Amino acid sequence: RKEVEQDPGPFNVPEGATVAFNCTYSNSASQSFFWYRQDCRKEPKLLMSVYSSGNEDGRFTAQLNRASQYISLLIRDSKLSDSATYLCVVNIRGSARQLTFGSGTQLTVLP
Amino acid sequence: GAVVSQHPSRVICKSGTSVKIECRSLDFQATTMFWYRQFPKKSLMLMATSNEGSKATYEQGVEKDKFLINHASLTLSTLTVTSAHPEDSSFYICSAGGEWTSGNTDTQYFGPGTRLTVL
Repeated sequence: RKEVEQDPGPFNVPEGATVAFNCTYSNSASQSFFWYRQDCRKEPKLLMSVYSSGNEDGRFTAQLNRASQYISLLIRDSKLSDSATYLCVVNIRGSARQLTFGSGTQLTVLP
Repeated sequence: GAVVSQHPSRVICKSGTSVKIECRSLDFQATTMFWYRQFPKKSLMLMATSNEGSKATYEQGVEKDKFLINHASLTLSTLTVTSAHPEDSSFYICSAGGEWTSGNTDTQYFGPGTRLTVL
């Protein structure tokens, strides 16, 4: 089983749609969770951290379910500029600060 | 946010040559930096953890003699791909940990990456 697993997609959605991405992780001792965004041939950029209480940043909502070892990202009212690969990232190794990346979910928002 | 730079952004070299990639933290001191490799349509894979003033810690399957890492100062880590071969062609990305951010010390900021092509 992969340490961090995502649905690779691709997700092709019309502008304005709501889209949800899911991610599972293998190590129940993991402490930190993130969603990163990566555009084609660019470095990953932090989109948001994920907290147990859930967090929202504008059109983006992230949730964490520790019992199920499951993380989600919801994008509402999607824009063309949201087209990218979304990476689920987990600090699998606890305090070592080493991040483990999921394989990414590709999103294309269509006009 | 914190800025991490990498140089060069792109390099093309002949098989058998060595290539050095620099990773710099521009506005903060980073005792730990990380080196990743990403093949096309694949995710980032951690290669090694670079520790200032000590030896790097390599991930399983990464040859330390082939990928030499030096972290001689708090703002600079270098990765040297020795005797490069076409299968080493990849996107190499460094990152530095974010102790300067409030709360979450695990946030990392990434350099823009170096695209290596070995002919």
